[in-house]
Amino acid sequence: GAGVSQSPSNKVTEKGKDVELRCDPISGHTALYWYRQSLGQGLEFLIYFQGNSAPDKSGLPSDRFSAERTGGSVSTLTIQRTQQEDSAVYLCASSTRLALQETQYFGPGTRLLVL
Amino acid sequence: AQKITQTQPGMFVQEKEAVTLDCTYDTSDPSYGLFWYKQPSSGEMIFLIYQGSYDQQNATEGRYSLNFQKARKSANLVISASQLGDSAMYFCAMRKTNTGNQFYFGTGTSLTVIP
Repeated sequence: GAGVSQSPSNKVTEKGKDVELRCDPISGHTALYWYRQSLGQGLEFLIYFQGNSAPDKSGLPSDRFSAERTGGSVSTLTIQRTQQEDSAVYLCASSTRLALQETQYFGPGTRLLVL
Repeated sequence: AQKITQTQPGMFVQEKEAVTLDCTYDTSDPSYGLFWYKQPSSGEMIFLIYQGSYDQQNATEGRYSLNFQKARKSANLVISASQLGDSAMYFCAMRKTNTGNQFYFGTGTSLTVIP
């Protein structure tokens, strides 16, 4: 079946512009995560959604970052007034449930470069 | 505070040999899960293996096994009979029940398999 998809695969923007990154999770997956991976670093948790519950936004680095998930499926991560330090790969992941042993399935990521 | 530590930024292994990638973690919770992921140059994160804190036996998945030493808080990944396709970044991650559904990732180890 189809995996997690993300778009665009690459995004180059100018400092101060807003960007939107999209994630299509695996059909039927109720949990959706966003991560940021800077060069040479591990994954930094940003936000996760579970069904209709309020999202866990504890990882968002500033109020310039926001995310929504419409209809319990597609999610959009928005970065306003982008800064050069926002340059990173943004990974989306989804899973079927929240059991401890349940792995996440990752998308290919969006590579964001802020000039 | 760093919850997952991977002390080997880069590792080399001869093809067909075994290699161990180190991972130590920090938690006082009795219930947690440990994961290993592979990230090839394409960027996508691939789930390899899972170990639960209450599991009595070390996890194995094909050529991957997890050397779980609970008292030492280590969860090293062992790859047997290395193949050229194993060259990638490898990330160790932990999930704890009391933090909801966040995954904590290490900084990764870059593995290069030499023909």
